[in-house]
Amino acid sequence: GAVVSQHPSRVICKSGTSVKIECRSLDFQATTMFWYRQFPKQSLMLMATSNEGSKATYEQGVEKDKFLINHASLTLSTLTVTSAHPEDSSFYICSASRAAVNEQFFGPGTRLTVL
Amino acid sequence: GESVGLHLPTLSVQEGDNSIINCAYSNSASDYFIWYKQESGKGPQFIIDIRSNMDKRQGQRVTVLLNKTVKHLSLQIAATQPGDSAVYFCAERGRGSQGNLIFGKGTKLSVKP
Repeated sequence: GAVVSQHPSRVICKSGTSVKIECRSLDFQATTMFWYRQFPKQSLMLMATSNEGSKATYEQGVEKDKFLINHASLTLSTLTVTSAHPEDSSFYICSASRAAVNEQFFGPGTRLTVL
Repeated sequence: GESVGLHLPTLSVQEGDNSIINCAYSNSASDYFIWYKQESGKGPQFIIDIRSNMDKRQGQRVTVLLNKTVKHLSLQIAATQPGDSAVYFCAERGRGSQGNLIFGKGTKLSVKP
């Protein structure tokens, strides 16, 4: 149990376009979902935290108008990278947690390459 | 911002030996700690966790030690196998947070057959 999926697994897009990444909890209801970004050979950096039905809380330095997060249901959160640029190329990972459970369950990640 | 030329600390061990991976955490108020394993191109995989009211916890072939005095966490892997090769991250959760995790820098473990 506690499986989290992400779609797509990898995406290549042109500079200036927008890309949407989906994160789904397959077998549980996720009260909170987290979005991370990971550059090569670096650690995971939390971008934002979202609770179902409310606005996401963004970490300092993360532009909320560039990285749009929607958590419309207890099993789905989306991250949209708007007007993507090459410096947005990274590995984006989501995680999900359920009420009263400490653990975050991580998705497999999405590799974004912006040309 | 992104650091150019950053290299992960690397630990190289012989198959069958024990591995010890260390981590220094930042917040003395953190109440929960987790070790994750990340293979290339994949998301982090939970290994073991420990609460701040404990100083040791054992799993299958893995042991986590917590020293709150010096804010240090270690992961011990017994009889290391080639499949253990990966990057290992410690993560801490602040008390009273939404569950936000702060990840350490990571250590790359290479197991030589």
